Amino acid sequence: EVQLVESGGGLVQPGGSLRLSCAASGFTFNNYAMTWVRQAPGKGPVWVSTISGSGSSTNYADSVKGRFIISRDNSKNILYLQVSSLRDEDTAVYYCAKALGHNFLYYMDVWGKGTTVTVSS
Amino acid sequence: EIVLTQSPGTLSLSPGERATLSCRASQSVTSSYLAWYQQKPGQAPRLLIYGTSSRATAIPDRFGGSGSGTDFTLIISRLAPEDFAVYYCQQYDTSPITFGQGTRLEIK
Repeated sequence: EVQLVESGGGLVQPGGSLRLSCAASGFTFNNYAMTWVRQAPGKGPVWVSTISGSGSSTNYADSVKGRFIISRDNSKNILYLQVSSLRDEDTAVYYCAKALGHNFLYYMDVWGKGTTVTVSS
Repeated sequence: EIVLTQSPGTLSLSPGERATLSCRASQSVTSSYLAWYQQKPGQAPRLLIYGTSSRATAIPDRFGGSGSGTDFTLIISRLAPEDFAVYYCQQYDTSPITFGQGTRLEIK
């Protein structure tokens, strides 16, 4: 069974940092791009970042560029998102998702249950 | 970026009825790279449709997608009780990928 399990969320003050993790199982992890998508309370999903299967290519939404870093450890089947310089508007549930498509234009066929990041003083 | 506008915001129907959900793009989705997701409270989105009309694995055939250019539609032919949820469209034709704001399908 394909499974994605996120962890690492929590309550953090504005300007703070967290590292989110996503443990993958049930598929050949390094064959697939992976994506982080976030969803603020009561809002629709918003794409955050994508990384290629090898980890050599990444891209980011403008709203997080320079503050968030996506990475992956293919030996451990884990996806990461380092989130820094956090702002109130980064408060959301963060989902990792397995991506299908091409040229960094993906839809997401499997999603984790999410981890919640709350930015508040 | 491509803005996706979904309508109606809320759709009230009864089990057994047909649901028609709309997703309009601010510019043409030239390769028909449009997906639909279902989300229930407290759960992650679930892929229903990709490539405008292809059903994802294990999705019942009462779910169907169509459209081209800027206008796309998700049809649920006969609503089952478990279909009442929020539905989102997503385009993956142009970077950045974007989602619509959602249509809430509620029981009448």
